[in-house]
Amino acid sequence: GQQLNQSPQSMFIQEGEDVSMNCTSSSIFNTWLWYKQDPGEGPVLLIALYKAGELTSNGRLTAQFGITRKDSFLNISASIPSDVGIYFCAVPTSGTYKYIFGTGTRLKVLA
Amino acid sequence: NAGVTQTPKFQVLKTGQSMTLQCAQDMNHEYMSWYRQDPGMGLRLIHYSVGAGITDQGEVPNGYNVSRSTTEDFPLRLLSAAPSQTSVYFCASKGESYGYTFGSGTRLTVV
Repeated sequence: GQQLNQSPQSMFIQEGEDVSMNCTSSSIFNTWLWYKQDPGEGPVLLIALYKAGELTSNGRLTAQFGITRKDSFLNISASIPSDVGIYFCAVPTSGTYKYIFGTGTRLKVLA
Repeated sequence: NAGVTQTPKFQVLKTGQSMTLQCAQDMNHEYMSWYRQDPGMGLRLIHYSVGAGITDQGEVPNGYNVSRSTTEDFPLRLLSAAPSQTSVYFCASKGESYGYTFGSGTRLTVV
């Protein structure tokens, strides 16, 4: 079936550093979303992207919809301890209601 | 406004036992989904519903049943639990806009 691969799988960074992660697929999608999951909680939507090449920010987070429509990127600037968690990409695969999620990038921030 | 409520939060089952994971949302959302989360595999779609009385299979439906008799409730049933069903289960709902709202999850262990 369709699959979203996220890279890196996990990362340790120092507080204050910038973080980059990506999500790739062999299929084309028209919408990309990024979620964050805090430990012990359900994922929460961070950013939604609707157009190839689109760049959207939410505070220290910036996400980009890849020009090929097969990938998306998430950057976090000046990381802080509360950025710890798992970041997932997601796409709707049928209409707007059947979502698949990526494998996740686990972020750990060292103070 | 409670959002998406899942019960129980934790459950231990013996192999072969049955149980129902409860999910309720109070946002009048049409779309609801069940996901399971396993280490390194991200979130995988089990079943989803596009409205009361309408359900369909996701990526990993085997061993699970669902029904949607009301807009608010979307229970997930395990008919005969197996150790392979040990996982964290998330229920989620969405309206017409992009982005699912997730519950806080049920951690299930099958021994």
